[in-house]
Amino acid sequence: DSGVTQTPKHLITATGQRVTLRCSPRSGDLSVYWYQQSLDQGLQFLIQYYNGEERAKGNILERFSAQQFPDLHSELNLSSLELGDSALYFCASSVAINSNYGYTFGSGTRLTVV
Amino acid sequence: DAKTTQPPSMDCAEGRAANLPCNHSTISGNEYVYWYRQIHSQGPQYIIHGLKNNETNEMASLIITEDRKSSTLILPHATLRDTAVYYCIVRVEHGSSNTGKLIFGQGTTLQVKP
Repeated sequence: DSGVTQTPKHLITATGQRVTLRCSPRSGDLSVYWYQQSLDQGLQFLIQYYNGEERAKGNILERFSAQQFPDLHSELNLSSLELGDSALYFCASSVAINSNYGYTFGSGTRLTVV
Repeated sequence: DAKTTQPPSMDCAEGRAANLPCNHSTISGNEYVYWYRQIHSQGPQYIIHGLKNNETNEMASLIITEDRKSSTLILPHATLRDTAVYYCIVRVEHGSSNTGKLIFGQGTTLQVKP
């Protein structure tokens, strides 16, 4: 157990639907990162939050959004889902904005869009 | 952040040392070299990082050339459980304005064989 909790572990939904992925960071960590991993794209950085504020954006689609709440957990919202959104979604956390010791990943949410 | 180049795959015999190379010829003076690994769809796991000196921890050793243009991750006694994709990443140091996001390449798939 890495200390980063992601729920649900698996999610199957239909095209056009909306889903919410949840991440609880490791205790004491203020920064949360979201990554998408599909078979043909590798690990793609989506977005980073630090203490409730958005700090960096990667290749995140406009249909996707995220937020970090006062208790520091984060949610990634995916809407108007397409088949190509099927992927593993990882959350990671670190204590600072730019932790010198890298950061800790959760075990991921596997999203299947049918 | 500087780009890295890694061989797509490598094999290693169980019990032998695994030496994974990484080229980062455009690395800047304030960029660290990080290594992560991902075991079969699990969340990536931090291994080690360094700036210019060689580093060792309980998992691995990191050897960085004097000109810092390349590095080698060494797993001293590889086991079957070390079979994974290994990612070499360069990133600016802690304390800078960098957000801390890690950009993953395609990595090296290490297959440890009995």
